[in-house]
Amino acid sequence: DTGVSQDPRHKITKRGQNVTFRCDPISEHNRLYWYRQTLGQGPEFLTYFQNEAQLEKSRLLSDRFSAERPKGSFSTLEIQRTEQGDSAMYLCASSSPAPFYGYTFGSGTRLTVV
Amino acid sequence: KNEVEQSPQNLTAQEGEFITINCSYSVGISALHWLQQHPGGGIVSLFMLSSGKKKHGRLIATINIQEKHSSLHITASHPRDSAVYICAVPFNQAGTALIFGKGTTLSVSS
Repeated sequence: DTGVSQDPRHKITKRGQNVTFRCDPISEHNRLYWYRQTLGQGPEFLTYFQNEAQLEKSRLLSDRFSAERPKGSFSTLEIQRTEQGDSAMYLCASSSPAPFYGYTFGSGTRLTVV
Repeated sequence: KNEVEQSPQNLTAQEGEFITINCSYSVGISALHWLQQHPGGGIVSLFMLSSGKKKHGRLIATINIQEKHSSLHITASHPRDSAVYICAVPFNQAGTALIFGKGTTLSVSS
């Protein structure tokens, strides 16, 4: 297992386009998290899955954002009708059933909306 | 919701100096993370601790649950320690997602 993988590493898109990011967690981790990090700030929580169930969503996750984890393994984060303010690093993390144990971050997807 | 404060925001040091970064939080927690992020890089977990002290190489993390305070120490600092150090605690008492401090940017010169 090579850790948490995110794809793509970088994405440049035009304003108004839709984008989708993928996260593959560590295989034995049932918890998966999405965070967003803007320049000079710490990451901010977006949403959390336990297996395939989306259990928490931040108010930052507007209706243009949707996340899925259909089979309880990989997850996707889609942003519709992108805006320049969506430009950020999108980080995925996963952890084991024991709270916080093995909390591991991916390298992130850097989104630039032009 | 938990609030996390880190200090200092920026820190410069000469190689070999002893470094201390502080983190305070507002809501009781079960565990706290110290994380490291290099410029343009991903986040690496350094420590997860719920009590006392942990040591890994030149890094030492301590936590005082009653005082809601944690410190990260770096002994014999080196230029390769230059990075952003972030403290993170549970989002709330029920949740497992994390809320992060704004980070401490450390620059160690030789």
